[in-house]
Amino acid sequence: GQQLNQSPQSMFIQEGEDVSMNCTSSSIFNTWLWYKQDPGEGPVLLIALYKAGELTSNGRLTAQFGITRKDSFLNISASIPSDVGIYFCAELSIQGAQKLVFGQGTRLTINP
Amino acid sequence: DGGITQSPKYLFRKEGQNVTLSCEQNLNHDAMYWYRQDPGQGLRLIYYSQIVNDFQKGDIAEGYSVSREKKESFPLTVTSAQKNPTAFYLCASSSGQGRTEAFFGQGTRLTVV
Repeated sequence: GQQLNQSPQSMFIQEGEDVSMNCTSSSIFNTWLWYKQDPGEGPVLLIALYKAGELTSNGRLTAQFGITRKDSFLNISASIPSDVGIYFCAELSIQGAQKLVFGQGTRLTINP
Repeated sequence: DGGITQSPKYLFRKEGQNVTLSCEQNLNHDAMYWYRQDPGQGLRLIYYSQIVNDFQKGDIAEGYSVSREKKESFPLTVTSAQKNPTAFYLCASSSGQGRTEAFFGQGTRLTVV
């Protein structure tokens, strides 16, 4: 199937630090979605990106849709304990079959 | 409230039995998806549907079946042919058009003993 490479797989940081994670794809897509998942819960949508070069913020979160349309990054500034969880990127094509594909996830752990 | 509802939250079954997981949405979304998540792992696509009465296999469809008789419902059956069915199952939906976003249910944790 389609491959999304998400990195890093895990991060261990101190509270207050900034965080950056990214995803790359072997194909060009039209939509990048970033999710956060808490243990035992479904993923919650954080940010949606629809246009190459688009930069979107949601509070302390910022995400960008890469110019090549094959990559995206998510930054979290001034991390707090509730940021702990797994972050996933996802791609959704609007041409042909609408297959929603996910990266492997980035597990964020914060030391207080 | 609008959203996606998965039920039940926890499900236990004996090995060799088929089991059906429910997913209902009242968002008027065209597209619906089923994913499997194993501990510490990402989301793997089982089946997806873009429209009523139509669905496609995802990356790990073997041992699973679905139906899409109504727009708001996309049940997943885990059959006895699925060799390792114990997992966390997630359902999602999206509008399927334009600037679309996808939203998830709370998940069903299936344990087969």
